Amino acid sequence: DQQVKQNSPSLSVQEGRISILNCDYTNSMFDYFLWYKKYPAEGPTFLISISSIKDKNEDGRFTVFLNKSAKHLSLHIVPSQPGDSAVYFCAASPYNTDKLIFGTGTRLQVFP
Amino acid sequence: NAGVTQTPKFRVLKTGQSMTLLCAQDMNHEYMYWYRQDPGMGLRLIHYSVGEGTTAKGEVPDGYNVSRLKKQNFLLGLESAAPSQTSVYFCAGGMTSGRYTGELFFGEGSRLTVL
Repeated sequence: DQQVKQNSPSLSVQEGRISILNCDYTNSMFDYFLWYKKYPAEGPTFLISISSIKDKNEDGRFTVFLNKSAKHLSLHIVPSQPGDSAVYFCAASPYNTDKLIFGTGTRLQVFP
Repeated sequence: NAGVTQTPKFRVLKTGQSMTLLCAQDMNHEYMYWYRQDPGMGLRLIHYSVGEGTTAKGEVPDGYNVSRLKKQNFLLGLESAAPSQTSVYFCAGGMTSGRYTGELFFGEGSRLTVL
């Protein structure tokens, strides 16, 4: 049973435009939500996170939005750059655990 | 400062052979994790450790064993490799102080092929 879902396997966006990556979850008992970025032949790297008590967190070009009633998380990248082309993983940490559960990933391609 | 280092980077095994993947970290992480990545499946947690001498099962622990005898090392063992264990394996570390927030530092991955 996939607790963290990324229903779009891929997304293509023009440079300078906004990229919106989406993530849905089924478990209400998540404490933290995170986004990781992965380039080919490298390990994932932490990008941005949000606590379950907040609904928005911003870091430069990256903003994460959390809608708890809809059990939905999104990552906005503005403006998108070619270097943002990578696979993005949504992840969530359940309350009172030390685990991190990942989604299946969305491949973002930013073209000139 | 090497961060999180995995060895070997690549390995080809025959069905039934055994092997050990080594993860070493110099970031003073209390927590360490082993994930596997498969196409269309994302990253799935195999086993993890919240401190030296401790281990716990993740989402897909069957066929694997782990040990954390020293804080800086986390070993993943396959006693009898199967083709279904062909995957890319990632080690990660996290939690140096304070409250766990899910921020992990990953190694570069180890690609394992079982024939």
